[in-house]
Amino acid sequence: DPKIIQKPKYLVAVTGSEKILICEQYLGHNAMYWYRQSAKKPLEFMFSYSYQKLMDNQTASSRFQPQSSKKNHLDLQITALKPDDSATYFCASSQGWGGSQNTLYFGAGTRLSVL
Amino acid sequence: SQLAEENSWALSVHEGESVTVNCSYKTSITALQWYRQKSGKGPAQLILIRSNEREKRNGRLRATLDTSSQSSSLSITATRCEDTAVYFCATDAGTNAYKVIFGKGTHLHVLP
Repeated sequence: DPKIIQKPKYLVAVTGSEKILICEQYLGHNAMYWYRQSAKKPLEFMFSYSYQKLMDNQTASSRFQPQSSKKNHLDLQITALKPDDSATYFCASSQGWGGSQNTLYFGAGTRLSVL
Repeated sequence: SQLAEENSWALSVHEGESVTVNCSYKTSITALQWYRQKSGKGPAQLILIRSNEREKRNGRLRATLDTSSQSSSLSITATRCEDTAVYFCATDAGTNAYKVIFGKGTHLHVLP
């Protein structure tokens, strides 16, 4: 059974609309992340959260807003969608917070296409 | 520019052969990780090697770390078709970093 659930698996949106990408992890981890992967920019870090607190934000645009309602949830709200937002968005988690001493566990991703 | 970067965009080998993917990084690190991503899946960690370690093994995989040259390698022996994937090295941006940064990846094709 997948321990990190991302929904939906595929998403098609029109330019200017708003979408929410869902992520739930059942590993009991304390830190969660969002990454984005596209042909132009491979596996790009977006956000990190620890105990529902934003720890790092590498996303320049305020159109991307993470939302953590529970410790094991980290959703990603994207507003005013643009075709350039088309990518696969991966949620990940780790037991501890911090950098490369912690193993990241990734979900299967949400593939977003903006028309 | 990337914090860590693999040295090859793509490699091809035949099944049974050995292959090495190389990675160079730019800062002082606490650890370096190697991940593999198969088509349509999220990345999965293969090996985590800490800055005080020189070598780490996991089955057919062997990772090395050379902090003096700021480089790492991942070797796969007796390759199989199912090893076909993108291989990433990843590290952090310092001791207080709250993120892991990935290289651009090396596409490995293992041919029958």
